[in-house]
Amino acid sequence: NAGVTQTPKFRILKIGQSMTLQCTQDMNHNYMYWYRQDPGMGLKLIYYSVGAGITDKGEVPNGYNVSRSTTEDFPLRLELAAPSQTSVYFCASTFGQNYGYTFGSGTRLTVV
Amino acid sequence: QKEVEQNSGPLSVPEGAIASLNCTYSDRVSQSFFWYRQYSGKSPELIMSIYSNGDKEDGRFTAQLNKASQYVSLLIRDSQPSDSATYLCAVIADRGSTLGRLYFGRGTQLTVWP
Repeated sequence: NAGVTQTPKFRILKIGQSMTLQCTQDMNHNYMYWYRQDPGMGLKLIYYSVGAGITDKGEVPNGYNVSRSTTEDFPLRLELAAPSQTSVYFCASTFGQNYGYTFGSGTRLTVV
Repeated sequence: QKEVEQNSGPLSVPEGAIASLNCTYSDRVSQSFFWYRQYSGKSPELIMSIYSNGDKEDGRFTAQLNKASQYVSLLIRDSQPSDSATYLCAVIADRGSTLGRLYFGRGTQLTVWP
């Protein structure tokens, strides 16, 4: 059982480039989330989805976009990368809000 | 904006001691609380959840919740070097436009020395 799979694990982007962080879960979870984690800081919610076709902004959505065409996939798109987007990105999913989240292994992104 | 505050670290305890990790939250209607463990360079891992006032025990871990004081804690008994990690407190928003979102504290780094 793979759980939540994120790709890539590491990436270096130049300022102004774009990329998509992939997230796939095989647990048939309706709820999926994208968080970023900066050193010494907690996890900040970027975007979330409560089901296929439904997405909404979290605390720090600027500079990012998401889509949710299937239950399994929840990609995060970075447009015009900026140094402020250097962070570790985690995708998570859950069956329901009281069940706790399952996290992917993370993507470490550096923008130079 | 939900606030989740954790006691400042780092926390260092000897092997075999009790480690006490504390967390306060600002939303009085929060009903669901979680503790995650995060090893360096790894993703958070759920270790405890608690929904009712009182204590909940799972092996060497005990979560304590006091909703009136808006306080949740995690006790680790017989601490082991393998418990050395950052512990994240998380609270579910139970109302309004943020319904269902999980808010995290900054984490407390625990070191257990042999």
